Amino acid sequence: EDQVTQSPEALRLQEGESSSLNCSYTVSGLRGLFWYRQDPGKGPEFLFTLYSAGEEKEKERLKATLTKKESFLHITAPKPEDSATYLCAVKRGSNYKLTFGKGTLLTVNP
Amino acid sequence: GAGVSQSPSNKVTEKGKDVELRCDPISGHTALYWYRQSLGQGLEFLIYFQGNSAPDKSGLPSDRFSAERTGGSVSTLTIQRTQQEDSAVYLCASSLNSGGGQDTQYFGPGTRLTVL
Repeated sequence: EDQVTQSPEALRLQEGESSSLNCSYTVSGLRGLFWYRQDPGKGPEFLFTLYSAGEEKEKERLKATLTKKESFLHITAPKPEDSATYLCAVKRGSNYKLTFGKGTLLTVNP
Repeated sequence: GAGVSQSPSNKVTEKGKDVELRCDPISGHTALYWYRQSLGQGLEFLIYFQGNSAPDKSGLPSDRFSAERTGGSVSTLTIQRTQQEDSAVYLCASSLNSGGGQDTQYFGPGTRLTVL
């Protein structure tokens, strides 16, 4: 069974304090690892897809990386507007559904 | 362009009543998914539609849950005889085509269901 574990469950940062979120996964035949951002009361907003170990993608202050067992979402010099829950999900090669982790709640204080 | 829309945004019902939740996918997207997000839990897959193929209902938690997709577009998720454990946010997503590796699912805002 596919498993996705995200850590930490919650992270509180000061504005400008860089850090990383972790997503560990167990899946047979990874077809893609997805990062989403979810604000309170809203649906998940797509951020990145990573397909193979060693791949990296960047968007503004966010950079996602992928190894064979985990993915990291690095946040550089975060701002209060980066506060949200960040969700990680995987898709198996022969499947279409996403298996999600429980997310990391990020709070960035001004 | 317009994203995935869902209605209602909030639904409060009494235990034992039936509810219908609606999803309008992104125009041109052939794949449609329903997920459920319960407090403290990750998103849980419920059902998947792809074009005119038979839906994959493997994630539906009980036979009280059903869904249909009319004309390959709008979908309705129906929960019969609602129970308190059905309280959750129901999220709909759509994608261009579920077969490709570069197939991103885009989510709607969700329907928050509360069963009293």
